[in-house]
Amino acid sequence: AQTVTQSQPEMSVQEAETVTLSCTYDTSESDYYLFWYKQPPSRQMILVIRQEAYKQQNATENRFSVNFQKAAKSFSLKISDSQLGDAAMYFCAYRTIYTGRRALTFGSGTRLQVQP
Amino acid sequence: DSGVTQTPKHLITATGQRVTLRCSPRSGDLSVYWYQQSLDQGLQFLIQYYNGEERAKGNILERFSAQQFPDLHSELNLSSLELGDSALYFCASSVDGFGQRNTEAFFGQGTRLTVV
Repeated sequence: AQTVTQSQPEMSVQEAETVTLSCTYDTSESDYYLFWYKQPPSRQMILVIRQEAYKQQNATENRFSVNFQKAAKSFSLKISDSQLGDAAMYFCAYRTIYTGRRALTFGSGTRLQVQP
Repeated sequence: DSGVTQTPKHLITATGQRVTLRCSPRSGDLSVYWYQQSLDQGLQFLIQYYNGEERAKGNILERFSAQQFPDLHSELNLSSLELGDSALYFCASSVDGFGQRNTEAFFGQGTRLTVV
């Protein structure tokens, strides 16, 4: 079974600064997807960014980018130019490509505070 | 708006009671996933239905059950409720067609269940 570990329960960043959230995972599969989800106080789960394991290029979505290290099984999220609206819980998640087992496996989350 | 509708948004009930949570997936999505999020924790996968059939089971208690109807909406039934069942219950839907490797999951806004 796959596991996802987020070792930073809380992080804090100054507005306009850059912050990196860490995530490691364990799997025996070679092809899979990794995700970062944002959960603001409204509790809605919002997809931030997605990485396909077979793609070596790191995914980028505007101010959000990932550092995907497949051999190290590491998947960190970098938020540049942090904004007050970025304050939320962030969850790292893993998903297999195989039909029938596509439920997401989530980490325990990192609470990000953004200081004005 | 993700297109996934969950009702009710909030539910307060007493220990020992039974409740039903409802999820309407996005139009065209055949898979429905149920997740449980206890206070400030990650989401735990409970069960998946695909086109009316149970496809995968996660950490679902025997007191809990689910079904997916011909119109593809799904219901999660929780019985003999205990205080520890208080949580946010999410439904997510995706297309999940056979052979489709890249199918995104869209989350509803969740049902907050409080057992008193």
